Amino acid sequence: DTEVTQTPKHLVMGMTNKKSLKCEQHMGHRAMYWYKQKAKKPPELMFVYSYEKLSINESVPSRFSPECPNSSLLNLHLHALQPEDSALYLCASSQVSKSYEQYFGPGTRLTVT
Amino acid sequence: DAKTTQPNSMESNEEEPVHLPCNHSTISGTDYIHWYRQLPSQGPEYVIHGLTSNVNNRMASLAIAEDRKSSTLILHRATLRDAAVYYCILKNYGQNFVFGPGTRLSVLP
Repeated sequence: DTEVTQTPKHLVMGMTNKKSLKCEQHMGHRAMYWYKQKAKKPPELMFVYSYEKLSINESVPSRFSPECPNSSLLNLHLHALQPEDSALYLCASSQVSKSYEQYFGPGTRLTVT
Repeated sequence: DAKTTQPNSMESNEEEPVHLPCNHSTISGTDYIHWYRQLPSQGPEYVIHGLTSNVNNRMASLAIAEDRKSSTLILHRATLRDAAVYYCILKNYGQNFVFGPGTRLSVLP
């Protein structure tokens, strides 16, 4: 099973809402990632978790709060977002090794109104 | 992070081979060359990666120049399903993937 699943597929939220994105993998990968992708642009790294600990935060605003409750799950909690945060949010996972491939989920398309 | 340059777009005819180039003149000796592709409305998909030698898998072949300053992703028989954005990325241990703009491949029937 090389699948990374993400829920929900689509999300519309107001600027005062609190919502969460969920990502799950069962490949035994110990590194998990959140990326943000705006239309017609390449994915941009947001966060990296390695062995369930946050190892990289690419200067992401605090209105995005990641969480890795166990080695299979990754959440992204959203609060007080802005319309410019509307984007495709991608989750990925990989082994923690010298050369590895990342497996991506289909993404959650987020619209902030 | 070492940079890569790729053509913005390329076209191919269905069932013909496609050669997607990537230049990486500042590559270090321990950088791996990775290729991913992103089909419309999907997340990126791993295609292939290599260090020095040419690599083959069920999806594609990767040809790496002897000086490693360039590489070419080869799709042996393009299908309509191969229409995607193809990203060439250099990756070293402890570094993260940095996606460039990629090459948008169109496949004509």
